[in-house]
Amino acid sequence: QKEVEQDPGPLSVPEGAIVSLNCTYSNSAFQYFMWYRQYSRKGPELLMYTYSSGNKEDGRFTAQVDKSSKYISLFIRDSQPSDSATYLCAMRVPNTGKLIFGQGTTLQVKP
Amino acid sequence: GAGVSQSPRYKVAKRGQDVALRCDPISGHVSLFWYQQALGQGPEFLTYFQNEAQLDKSGLPSDRFFAERPEGSVSTLKIQRTQQEDSAVYLCASSLASGNTEAFFGQGTRLTVV
Repeated sequence: QKEVEQDPGPLSVPEGAIVSLNCTYSNSAFQYFMWYRQYSRKGPELLMYTYSSGNKEDGRFTAQVDKSSKYISLFIRDSQPSDSATYLCAMRVPNTGKLIFGQGTTLQVKP
Repeated sequence: GAGVSQSPRYKVAKRGQDVALRCDPISGHVSLFWYQQALGQGPEFLTYFQNEAQLDKSGLPSDRFFAERPEGSVSTLKIQRTQQEDSAVYLCASSLASGNTEAFFGQGTRLTVV
């Protein structure tokens, strides 16, 4: 079993829909949780990060962390075709800068 | 430039050939990371530098892989005697410090071993 599990999709939604992306993890020591967006043939770019449990909102994006369930989510409101990309969850290994990534979920938002 | 720069963007190597992949991090960034991303997978950690010191190389898959950052800036990932299973995108990332959560990634080098 991988340390971080993420459904690869693909996920296809109509423009304007609310998108929910999720990851589970096994290491209870993780404290920093990140979401990266990766467009085709590009490097990942950081969307949001959250420390410990709770919610964080940035525009159309909301990140949630539930440490008791070892479950993190990213919600995208009013999804746009430009949101079509692969979304990677990542967790920082404690006391290092090393990141453990999920497999990535491919999202397509249709106009 | 303003971001992390990697070269070449694409590399085709014959099996058994040696390759060298270059990473120019953001100026002033202390930490530098290399990741390997296979098709349809998330990036996997290879190695980490703090300035010129290689602090963690636990992710390097074999002794054919070698990384260096001699002056604490530009880094090179070298793969000797390439094999088909080495085909992947190699990503470099840098951050201001090891504890900084924001790592900036380059666009990667896509290596194809034929």
